[in-house]
Order: sequence, then structure tokens, then C-alpha cells
Amino acid sequence: DTAVSQTPKYLVTQMGNDKSIKCEQNLGHDTMYWYKQDSKKFLKIMFSYNNKELIINETVPNRFSPKSPDKAHLNLHINSLELGDSAVYFCASSQATSGVDTQYFGPGTRLTVL
Amino acid sequence: DAKTTQPTSMDCAEGRAANLPCNHSTISGNEYVYWYRQIHSQGPQYIIHGLKNNETNEMASLIITEDRKSSTLILPHATLRDTAVYYCIVRSPNYGGSQGNLIFGKGTKLSVKP
Repeated sequence: DTAVSQTPKYLVTQMGNDKSIKCEQNLGHDTMYWYKQDSKKFLKIMFSYNNKELIINETVPNRFSPKSPDKAHLNLHINSLELGDSAVYFCASSQATSGVDTQYFGPGTRLTVL
Repeated sequence: DAKTTQPTSMDCAEGRAANLPCNHSTISGNEYVYWYRQIHSQGPQYIIHGLKNNETNEMASLIITEDRKSSTLILPHATLRDTAVYYCIVRSPNYGGSQGNLIFGKGTKLSVKP
């Protein structure tokens, strides 16, 4: 069974469109994350949710809106897509125990904006 | 910004030990050293972490210097499948708050050659 899954794996769309990426984890973790990896391969945190509450919201345009319907899901909705949004988006989850945790990453969603 | 310094790239012969260094001279007393890797086109994968003592698991060993200003990840018998970018990350304990996000640097691209 896949621990952290994302859909779709590939997403090609036009500028100005609105799209969503879904993430699900079956590990029973309390915390979920979204990371963005750009064309230069830099991997950066975007959002973090702990028990369905937003914990981290890095400097991300408000066109990006995460939604966590329950602890097992963290979806990412992007409005008015721009060329610069093209990247690979990774979802991750973790469960901290005594301050230590391991983040499990999904396979990534490659978003291409034309 | 990442709080670690790693060589940009390294080569290793298949079957030999791969020793990946990391400098973290500004590490604080309660910060952990984590190692993740990213195989091409996949999500990052946790390898190992440590605080003060050396650690070993089924994937690798982590050697942390006594002053904690540097560490070495050791893959004892590297295989072609170990070719990946390896990230050394210094991180505060995660208690479900904003400390949870991983700050990825550029990492070391390890190429294991036949």
C-alpha cells in the first residue's frame, strides 16, 4: 500500500486556469506538508497542517490555498495559474514523537503551465 | 536558508563505502541532524537522524563529531540504486509547530559507478 499518494502525477494546463492537486496519507499521521521543487531542483516548504490546522504558510501567493478536510488529506488548490507555477509539488506527512519525526513524501505532481 | 554545507557532487565505486560529509558549524544544542535523499524523479526519502551519538540503521550510519559541527553519512556498500542527491538538514525538535518543516539545501549529488 502506498503511504503517501498524490493525484494527478502529471498536470498540464493553460495560464489562468484553476487546478487542484490531491494528497492522501494512510499512515495515521497528524501533520501534512506541501513542498515545491522548482526547475533548479530547490525544494521548499509551502504549507504545513497539524491536525487540520494551518501551522506554516511560507511566502506563497494567496492564489495557493491548501485545504485539509480531515487528517488524512491535504489538497492544494491553485487559482489563476502562472508560468512560474510550473514545478514538481510534493506532499509529505509525519508524526512527531518526543520532538523527532520522519517525513514521508509522496511521488510528486509535475505541474506544467503553458 | 539551509544551515549546512555539503560538497556539490561525489563519485563512488559500486560495492565500496560512500562517505558523505556535512558541515553544520552553527548547530544549536537541541538541533538534530537529519539525512534525506532524492532519487531522480522521486520524492525525498528519509535515511537517518542523530543528535549527539553515532547512529546506524539498515540503510546507513551517521557519524557526528564530538563538537557536533560536522557529520558524515556512510553508505557501507553503495549500489547503483544509491545514486541520488543526499541532503543533510539541521532541524529543531518538532512538537507540531513551525519547527516541523525541512529546510533543504542543495545537497550532494552522489553518483555510484560500476
